[in-house]
Amino acid sequence: DSGVTQTPKHLITATGQRVTLRCSPRSGDLSVYWYQQSLDQGLQFLIQYYNGEERAKGNILERFSAQQFPDLHSELNLSSLELGDSALYFCASSVAEGGYNEQFFGPGTRLTVL
Amino acid sequence: GEDVEQSLFLSVREGDSSVINCTYTDSSSTYLYWYKQEPGAGLQLLTYIFSNMDMKQDQRLTVLLNKKDKHLSLRIADTQTGDSAIYFCAERNSSASKIIFGSGTRLSIRP
Repeated sequence: DSGVTQTPKHLITATGQRVTLRCSPRSGDLSVYWYQQSLDQGLQFLIQYYNGEERAKGNILERFSAQQFPDLHSELNLSSLELGDSALYFCASSVAEGGYNEQFFGPGTRLTVL
Repeated sequence: GEDVEQSLFLSVREGDSSVINCTYTDSSSTYLYWYKQEPGAGLQLLTYIFSNMDMKQDQRLTVLLNKKDKHLSLRIADTQTGDSAIYFCAERNSSASKIIFGSGTRLSIRP
């Protein structure tokens, strides 16, 4: 158990819908990262927040957005869902953002878009 | 650009050594990682190596880094059935937050 929690574990929805994935980092970790794991794209970095502020962006679609709240939990919002958005979405957290900081991964949320 | 490549599958006999190979393109990579993903689970950091090191050993795991060839390998000694998983090679440079992952190597163990 990494100490990072993600809810829900599974999510099934239809095309065109909007969903919110939630992540609680490990106690004391200020930085949160979101990754998408799909069969065709592999594991890709989406976005990072540190202490409430966006720090880095990867291959995140404009239909997706995220935020980190004052209590440091983070939400990833996916809208206008398409079949290709079906994937496993991981959240990771680390103590800080600079230098070497191990990222601890949550168990993931499996999103299925029908 | 940044790219990390690894073979998709590896099958070894129980008790033998497993060697998973990886190549990367970013010459400014500072940290190189091996993650393990078991079925239905998240990613677990197995080990890492700094780019100024050639080798790191941690119990049954040995990581070798050839910085000139941008080649990283993970050797698992005395492979057990519990080692069945997907192993991801990944890299990050010191100025970047994101980790670039390879496609993962699925390790299967045969009796």
